[in-house]
Amino acid sequence: AQTVTQSQPEMSVQEAETVTLSCTYDTSESDYYLFWYKQPPSRQMILVIRQEAYKQQNATENRFSVNFQKAAKSFSLKISDSQLGDAAMYFCAYRSLKGGSEKLVFGKGTKLTVNP
Amino acid sequence: DAMVIQNPRYQVTQFGKPVTLSCSQTLNHNVMYWYQQKSSQAPKLLFHYYDKDFNNEADTPDNFQSRRPNTSFCFLDIRSPGLGDAAMYLCATSTRQTGAGYTFGSGTRLTVV
Repeated sequence: AQTVTQSQPEMSVQEAETVTLSCTYDTSESDYYLFWYKQPPSRQMILVIRQEAYKQQNATENRFSVNFQKAAKSFSLKISDSQLGDAAMYFCAYRSLKGGSEKLVFGKGTKLTVNP
Repeated sequence: DAMVIQNPRYQVTQFGKPVTLSCSQTLNHNVMYWYQQKSSQAPKLLFHYYDKDFNNEADTPDNFQSRRPNTSFCFLDIRSPGLGDAAMYLCATSTRQTGAGYTFGSGTRLTVV
């Protein structure tokens, strides 16, 4: 079974600076998807960014980018020019490409605080 | 806007009194999920439907049941809530295309008194 590990329960960053959230995963599969989700306090979880394992190029979405290291099974999220609205729980998640594997496997999350 | 709607946003129930949480979607997604999320923890999958096919996680207690009468609606029934069932319950939808990710509802926070 796949597992996802987020080793940083909490992180903090100054507004306008850059922060990197770590995620590692364990799988024997060669093709899969990885995701970062953001969950602001008392608000719904939203997709931040996704990465297809067969693509070598790291995904980017505006201020959010990932560093995907397939051999190391590492998938970190970099937030540039941090804003107060980035404060949230961030969850890393894995999804298999195997038929019938519709479910996401989540890490335990990292709570990000943005200091003004 | 296409979305996933959960009602109610907050639910208080008595210990042992059956409670039903609801989820509706306008995305026409064929997969619907129920997750339980306790404070500062990762969401834990309880079960999911692919169309009408029900898939229960092995460690989901029998106290939790689900119904999906049609594509748009899915219900979570807790037959006899205990104090340990107090949590946020998240509904999510997806297509079966694995790269699609999930669309989540805002969640229902359940309190058991």
